[in-house]
Amino acid sequence: AQSVTQPDIHITVSEGASLELRCNYSYGATPYLFWYVQSPGQGLQLLLKYFSGDTLVQGIKGFEAEFKRSQSSFNLRKPSVHWSDAAEYFCAVGLWEYGNKLVFGAGTILRVKS
Amino acid sequence: ETGVTQSPTHLIKTRGQQVTLRCSSQSGHNTVSWYQQALGQGPQFIFQYYREEENGRGNFPPRFSGLQFPNYSSELNVNALELDDSALYLCASSSSGGPGANVLTFGAGSRLTVL
Repeated sequence: AQSVTQPDIHITVSEGASLELRCNYSYGATPYLFWYVQSPGQGLQLLLKYFSGDTLVQGIKGFEAEFKRSQSSFNLRKPSVHWSDAAEYFCAVGLWEYGNKLVFGAGTILRVKS
Repeated sequence: ETGVTQSPTHLIKTRGQQVTLRCSSQSGHNTVSWYQQALGQGPQFIFQYYREEENGRGNFPPRFSGLQFPNYSSELNVNALELDDSALYLCASSSSGGPGANVLTFGAGSRLTVL
């Protein structure tokens, strides 16, 4: 069965420090991959997506992610974190043969300390 | 362009009752999906509607049902509410073609509490 694993439930980084959020997926075919961010009480905002092509994708708010097929990973990175980045981050796999279904990981809560 | 809007934002029901949640899709989008996000978990796919028909369903019982209307708006209905139905219900819309295909835009959600 398809699944997405985000190994870190919580991560705390200092403002200005670099960030990497991990995501591993289990899926038999070439996946469509997404990172979404959710602020408290809010819906999900798309940060970036990977469908094909260049394995390093750029997103909004200075985020980037790298698709590594050999490791079944799609880790999210940011070189310098801002206090406003504190939120919950979700990695997701798109299963288009199942009607546009997204399978989400459990999320990683990012805390930023000043 | 307007985004995805959901109503109501919060509601409280008791066990056994029925609830209807509503969603207006983003302009230009013709596909609507519903997700359930329990506290501390990632969203889980309930079902998707395209051309007013269910087009894919997750592992949810039949008491979860939906509708899509000709203007692409949608409703999620849950009958015989259970305590475990307490969650944030997210609606997402997408287009079936063009550069935005397969990219979901989410609403802010409807938070349901079942007592």
